[in-house]
Amino acid sequence: KQEVTQIPAALSVPEGENLVLNCSFTDSAIYNLQWFRQDPGKGLTSLLLIQSSQREQTSGRLNASLDKSSGRSTLYIAASQPGDSATYLCAVVMNRDDKIIFGKGTRLHILP
Amino acid sequence: EAEVAQSPRYKITEKSQAVAFWCDPISGHATLYWYRQILGQGPELLVQFQDESVVDDSQLPKDRFSAERLKGVDSTLKIQPAELGDSAMYLCASSLLDRHNSPLHFGNGTRLTVT
Repeated sequence: KQEVTQIPAALSVPEGENLVLNCSFTDSAIYNLQWFRQDPGKGLTSLLLIQSSQREQTSGRLNASLDKSSGRSTLYIAASQPGDSATYLCAVVMNRDDKIIFGKGTRLHILP
Repeated sequence: EAEVAQSPRYKITEKSQAVAFWCDPISGHATLYWYRQILGQGPELLVQFQDESVVDDSQLPKDRFSAERLKGVDSTLKIQPAELGDSAMYLCASSLLDRHNSPLHFGNGTRLTVT
């Protein structure tokens, strides 16, 4: 059974710092991995989607990498801003049954 | 940018009552999902539709939950009777038919409180 883990559960960093969020998964038979942002009381917003054949995707200050063989993905946020404060979740789509498995998220707080 | 619409945003109901949630996906999105999210957890799938057909309802508590997407467009999720443990955020999401290359788009959810 696929397990998606995000550590740490919460993170606080000063504004302006670069930071890395981690996502690990136990079963590497995935189609893709997605990173989402969720603001309090809101739905999830898709940030980046990485296909299993890709190593990374970039969007603005965000860069997501994928190492499928080791079951790891990272989301790099450059020059963090208070507006980046949110919960970040990763999710994988499984090869065998198309199921989407979410992690529990990392709650990020950028200190002004 | 097109959005997934959900209503209501908040719902408070007493246990044993019936509740219903509505979702209108992005136009052209064949796949529609209903998720339940408990605070501090990731979303968990309740039911997945492709057009009007259910493709996965293995995690839907069918004794009290039902979902339909009659015309393959908007969808309704119903709970009857509601229980205290049903309090959660109910999220609707949609994607293009090619789910492997298309990101999920979520609505803002319905926050259900059962008293």
